Amino acid sequence: QVQLVQSGAEVKKPGASVKVSCKASGYTFTNYAIHWVRQAPGQRLEWMGWINAGNGNTKYSQKFQDRITITRDTSASTGYMELSSLRSEDTAVYYCARDVVVTPSRFDYWGQGTLVTVSS
Amino acid sequence: DIQMTQSPSSLSASVGDRVTITCRASQSISSYLNWYQQKPGKVPKLLIYAASTLQSGVPSRFSGSGSGTDFTLTISSLQPEDFTTYYCQQSYTTPRTFGQGTKVEIK
Repeated sequence: QVQLVQSGAEVKKPGASVKVSCKASGYTFTNYAIHWVRQAPGQRLEWMGWINAGNGNTKYSQKFQDRITITRDTSASTGYMELSSLRSEDTAVYYCARDVVVTPSRFDYWGQGTLVTVSS
Repeated sequence: DIQMTQSPSSLSASVGDRVTITCRASQSISSYLNWYQQKPGKVPKLLIYAASTLQSGVPSRFSGSGSGTDFTLTISSLQPEDFTTYYCQQSYTTPRTFGQGTKVEIK
């Protein structure tokens, strides 16, 4: 069965960076894309960016353009999202989600979420 | 960015009621509209994609319609497990924006 398993909760200080992993299983990793979505407490879902796991192409939200990096390791069927220059407003649950690379796009499987807390 | 606005933000209903949630896009997105259900503390679950296609395994009481800028999610007969929050999302372009959510509560 398809599974996306994310790395554990993180506590970071303002200005630091965090890297969250998302290990895929149960499907051919390179045939799909991985998106990253976050949700701050009581807020709506917010899209951050995505990577085509096959060719490595990425696209980021302009909001995070200068401090986000999304990568993947095809040998490990794992995607990564690194966010730098953290501030308190980045405290949120971060999700990875699988997407087909052809239209219509949809996030059919999600990781369990990784809580990132930014606090001094 | 395309803005997605849901209405209402919350509603109260009873088991067995028919419920409709609306999602409006700030510009035309054709039929590139998905609906997700999220229970408290849980992961979002895909219900409907491409405006009206039911995701595999989702009960048939859920249905979607619309195109262009106006879309609806309908639950034909509310069940106890349906009292939670629903989000629409456009998949027409990046950034993939979500609505603010509609919370369905027990009357």
